[in-house]
Amino acid sequence: GEDVEQSLFLSVREGDSSVINCTYTDSSSTYLYWYKQEPGAGLQLLTYIFSNMDMKQDQRLTVLLNKKDKHLSLRIADTQTGDSAIYFCAACSGSARQLTFGSGTQLTVLP
Amino acid sequence: NAGVTQTPKFRVLKTGQSMTLLCAQDMNHEYMYWYRQDPGMGLRLIHYSVGEGTTAKGEVPDGYNVSRLKKQNFLLGLESAAPSQTSVYFCASATEGHEQYFGPGTRLTVT
Repeated sequence: GEDVEQSLFLSVREGDSSVINCTYTDSSSTYLYWYKQEPGAGLQLLTYIFSNMDMKQDQRLTVLLNKKDKHLSLRIADTQTGDSAIYFCAACSGSARQLTFGSGTQLTVLP
Repeated sequence: NAGVTQTPKFRVLKTGQSMTLLCAQDMNHEYMYWYRQDPGMGLRLIHYSVGEGTTAKGEVPDGYNVSRLKKQNFLLGLESAAPSQTSVYFCASATEGHEQYFGPGTRLTVT
Protein backbone atom coordinates (compact mmCIF):
# COMPACT_ATOMS: atom_id res chain seq x y z
CA GLY A 1 0.00 0.00 0.00
CA GLU A 2 0.84 3.67 -0.04
CA ASP A 3 3.46 5.01 2.34
CA VAL A 4 3.83 8.73 3.03
CA GLU A 5 6.79 10.16 4.95
CA GLN A 6 7.60 13.59 6.38
CA SER A 7 10.26 15.01 8.65
CA LEU A 8 8.94 15.49 12.19
CA PHE A 9 10.07 19.01 13.10
CA LEU A 10 10.86 22.37 11.49
CA SER A 11 11.71 25.69 13.16
CA VAL A 12 11.87 29.01 11.34
CA ARG A 13 12.08 32.70 12.25
CA GLU A 14 9.03 34.88 11.79
CA GLY A 15 9.11 36.47 8.34
CA ASP A 16 11.25 33.71 6.80
CA SER A 17 9.96 31.09 4.36
CA SER A 18 9.16 27.59 5.55
CA VAL A 19 9.53 24.52 3.37
CA ILE A 20 7.93 21.25 4.48
CA ASN A 21 8.81 18.14 2.50
CA CYS A 22 6.96 14.89 1.89
CA THR A 23 7.62 11.72 -0.08
CA TYR A 24 5.12 9.09 -1.17
CA THR A 25 5.43 5.68 -2.78
CA ASP A 26 2.33 5.05 -4.92
CA SER A 27 2.78 6.58 -8.36
CA SER A 28 -0.95 6.11 -9.04
CA SER A 29 -1.92 8.64 -6.36
CA THR A 30 -4.23 11.12 -8.06
CA TYR A 31 -4.28 14.05 -5.65
CA LEU A 32 -1.85 15.16 -2.96
CA TYR A 33 -2.95 17.30 -0.06
CA TRP A 34 -1.64 19.52 2.68
CA TYR A 35 -3.63 19.77 5.91
CA LYS A 36 -2.97 21.96 8.96
CA GLN A 37 -3.80 20.91 12.52
CA GLU A 38 -3.68 23.34 15.42
CA PRO A 39 -3.58 22.03 19.03
CA GLY A 40 -6.80 20.31 20.05
CA ALA A 41 -8.44 20.94 16.68
CA GLY A 42 -9.41 18.97 13.61
CA LEU A 43 -7.66 19.06 10.26
CA GLN A 44 -8.00 22.07 8.00
CA LEU A 45 -7.47 21.58 4.28
CA LEU A 46 -4.85 24.09 3.13
CA THR A 47 -4.36 23.18 -0.51
CA TYR A 48 -4.04 20.26 -2.87
CA ILE A 49 -2.49 19.47 -6.21
CA PHE A 50 -3.53 17.13 -8.97
CA SER A 51 -0.89 14.62 -10.00
CA ASN A 52 -0.54 16.04 -13.53
CA MET A 53 0.51 19.46 -12.19
CA ASP A 54 4.01 20.56 -11.17
CA MET A 55 3.16 23.61 -9.11
CA LYS A 56 0.23 25.33 -7.48
CA GLN A 57 0.27 28.73 -5.80
CA ASP A 58 -2.37 30.01 -3.40
CA GLN A 59 -1.53 33.33 -1.70
CA ARG A 60 1.40 32.59 0.66
CA LEU A 61 1.36 28.86 -0.11
CA THR A 62 3.26 27.19 -2.96
CA VAL A 63 3.05 23.46 -3.60
CA LEU A 64 5.70 21.78 -5.75
CA LEU A 65 5.30 18.24 -7.05
CA ASN A 66 8.11 16.14 -8.51
CA LYS A 67 6.34 13.07 -9.87
CA LYS A 68 9.53 11.34 -10.95
CA ASP A 69 10.92 11.41 -7.40
CA LYS A 70 7.47 11.20 -5.76
CA HIS A 71 8.33 14.28 -3.74
CA LEU A 72 5.93 16.99 -2.59
CA SER A 73 6.76 20.23 -0.82
CA LEU A 74 4.81 23.05 0.79
CA ARG A 75 6.40 26.49 0.94
CA ILE A 76 4.91 29.10 3.26
CA ALA A 77 6.11 32.60 2.46
CA ASP A 78 6.51 35.24 5.18
CA THR A 79 5.83 32.72 7.95
CA GLN A 80 3.88 34.12 10.91
CA THR A 81 3.48 32.89 14.49
CA GLY A 82 -0.09 31.89 13.58
CA ASP A 83 1.38 29.36 11.15
CA SER A 84 2.74 27.31 14.06
CA ALA A 85 0.93 23.96 13.82
CA ILE A 86 1.32 20.40 12.60
CA TYR A 87 1.24 20.03 8.81
CA PHE A 88 0.15 16.74 7.27
CA CYS A 89 0.84 15.56 3.78
CA ALA A 90 -1.71 13.07 2.37
CA ALA A 91 -1.97 11.04 -0.83
CA CYS A 92 -5.27 10.04 -2.41
CA SER A 93 -5.81 6.74 -4.14
CA GLY A 94 -8.52 4.16 -4.65
CA SER A 95 -12.06 4.44 -5.96
CA ALA A 96 -13.30 5.85 -2.63
CA ARG A 97 -10.60 8.55 -2.55
CA GLN A 98 -8.97 7.06 0.51
CA LEU A 99 -6.26 9.24 2.04
CA THR A 100 -2.94 7.97 3.38
CA PHE A 101 -1.34 10.49 5.75
CA GLY A 102 2.23 11.19 6.71
CA SER A 103 3.06 11.43 10.41
CA GLY A 104 3.00 15.23 10.33
CA THR A 105 5.62 18.00 10.59
CA GLN A 106 5.53 20.21 13.68
CA LEU A 107 6.27 23.76 12.47
CA THR A 108 7.47 26.17 15.16
CA VAL A 109 7.74 29.85 14.26
CA LEU A 110 10.17 31.76 16.46
CA PRO A 111 9.74 35.51 17.04
CA ASN B 1 -24.35 25.03 7.78
CA ALA B 2 -22.49 23.23 10.56
CA GLY B 3 -20.23 21.14 8.29
CA VAL B 4 -19.06 17.93 9.99
CA THR B 5 -19.94 17.43 13.64
CA GLN B 6 -18.93 14.66 16.02
CA THR B 7 -20.54 13.45 19.24
CA PRO B 8 -19.27 13.15 21.95
CA LYS B 9 -16.16 15.37 22.17
CA PHE B 10 -14.62 13.37 25.03
CA ARG B 11 -15.28 9.96 26.57
CA VAL B 12 -13.64 7.67 29.10
CA LEU B 13 -14.46 3.97 28.94
CA LYS B 14 -13.47 0.97 30.98
CA THR B 15 -12.02 -2.04 29.20
CA GLY B 16 -14.82 -4.19 27.81
CA GLN B 17 -17.42 -1.44 27.64
CA SER B 18 -19.11 -0.50 24.38
CA MET B 19 -19.92 2.84 22.81
CA THR B 20 -20.94 4.50 19.57
CA LEU B 21 -19.44 7.64 18.08
CA LEU B 22 -21.70 9.70 15.87
CA CYS B 23 -20.61 11.71 12.85
CA ALA B 24 -23.08 13.99 11.09
CA GLN B 25 -22.66 16.16 7.99
CA ASP B 26 -25.06 18.62 6.44
CA MET B 27 -23.32 19.05 3.09
CA ASN B 28 -25.09 16.17 1.30
CA HIS B 29 -21.75 14.38 0.84
CA GLU B 30 -21.70 10.84 -0.51
CA TYR B 31 -18.38 9.76 0.99
CA MET B 32 -17.71 9.51 4.72
CA TYR B 33 -14.67 8.25 6.63
CA TRP B 34 -13.52 7.38 10.13
CA TYR B 35 -9.87 7.86 11.07
CA ARG B 36 -7.89 7.48 14.26
CA GLN B 37 -4.92 9.64 15.24
CA ASP B 38 -2.27 8.40 17.65
CA PRO B 39 0.71 10.40 18.99
CA GLY B 40 3.53 10.75 16.48
CA MET B 41 1.49 9.17 13.75
CA GLY B 42 -0.66 10.47 10.98
CA LEU B 43 -4.31 9.62 10.64
CA ARG B 44 -5.12 6.02 9.79
CA LEU B 45 -8.32 5.01 8.02
CA ILE B 46 -10.60 2.70 10.02
CA HIS B 47 -13.70 2.35 7.82
CA TYR B 48 -15.34 4.35 5.09
CA SER B 49 -18.60 4.61 3.16
CA VAL B 50 -19.25 5.61 -0.44
CA GLY B 51 -22.99 6.11 0.04
CA GLU B 52 -26.02 5.40 2.18
CA GLY B 53 -26.18 1.73 3.14
CA THR B 54 -22.56 0.97 2.14
CA THR B 55 -19.47 0.46 4.30
CA ALA B 56 -15.95 -0.83 3.67
CA LYS B 57 -12.82 -1.60 5.70
CA GLY B 58 -9.85 0.72 5.78
CA GLU B 59 -6.32 0.18 7.03
CA VAL B 60 -7.11 -0.57 10.71
CA PRO B 61 -10.68 -1.95 10.97
CA ASP B 62 -10.25 -4.60 13.71
CA GLY B 63 -12.31 -3.97 16.84
CA TYR B 64 -14.62 -1.47 15.14
CA ASN B 65 -17.93 -1.63 13.30
CA VAL B 66 -19.73 1.06 11.31
CA SER B 67 -23.16 1.79 9.90
CA ARG B 68 -24.49 4.32 7.39
CA LEU B 69 -28.27 4.03 7.60
CA LYS B 70 -28.80 7.66 6.66
CA LYS B 71 -26.74 9.62 4.16
CA GLN B 72 -25.91 12.35 6.65
CA ASN B 73 -24.79 10.07 9.51
CA PHE B 74 -21.88 7.66 9.90
CA LEU B 75 -21.64 5.72 13.17
CA LEU B 76 -18.51 4.09 14.58
CA GLY B 77 -19.02 1.37 17.18
CA LEU B 78 -16.66 -0.22 19.66
CA GLU B 79 -18.23 -3.45 20.93
CA SER B 80 -15.64 -4.25 23.60
CA ALA B 81 -13.21 -1.39 24.15
CA ALA B 82 -9.51 -2.09 24.71
CA PRO B 83 -6.74 0.24 25.95
CA SER B 84 -5.19 0.05 22.45
CA GLN B 85 -8.24 1.94 21.21
CA THR B 86 -7.33 5.01 23.24
CA SER B 87 -6.98 7.62 20.51
CA VAL B 88 -8.47 10.70 18.90
CA TYR B 89 -11.11 9.78 16.34
CA PHE B 90 -11.84 11.98 13.35
CA CYS B 91 -14.69 11.77 10.92
CA ALA B 92 -14.53 13.27 7.43
CA SER B 93 -16.86 13.65 4.49
CA ALA B 94 -16.38 14.39 0.79
CA THR B 95 -18.31 14.90 -2.43
CA GLU B 96 -17.43 13.39 -5.78
CA GLY B 97 -14.55 15.83 -5.68
CA HIS B 98 -11.40 15.29 -3.74
CA GLU B 99 -11.73 17.59 -0.74
CA GLN B 100 -12.31 15.83 2.55
CA TYR B 101 -13.74 17.99 5.33
CA PHE B 102 -12.93 16.92 8.87
CA GLY B 103 -14.88 17.10 12.10
CA PRO B 104 -13.37 18.42 15.36
CA GLY B 105 -12.55 14.96 16.73
CA THR B 106 -13.53 12.74 19.68
CA ARG B 107 -10.92 12.08 22.34
CA LEU B 108 -11.43 8.55 23.71
CA THR B 109 -9.59 7.07 26.69
CA VAL B 110 -9.96 3.39 27.56
CA THR B 111 -8.73 2.45 31.05
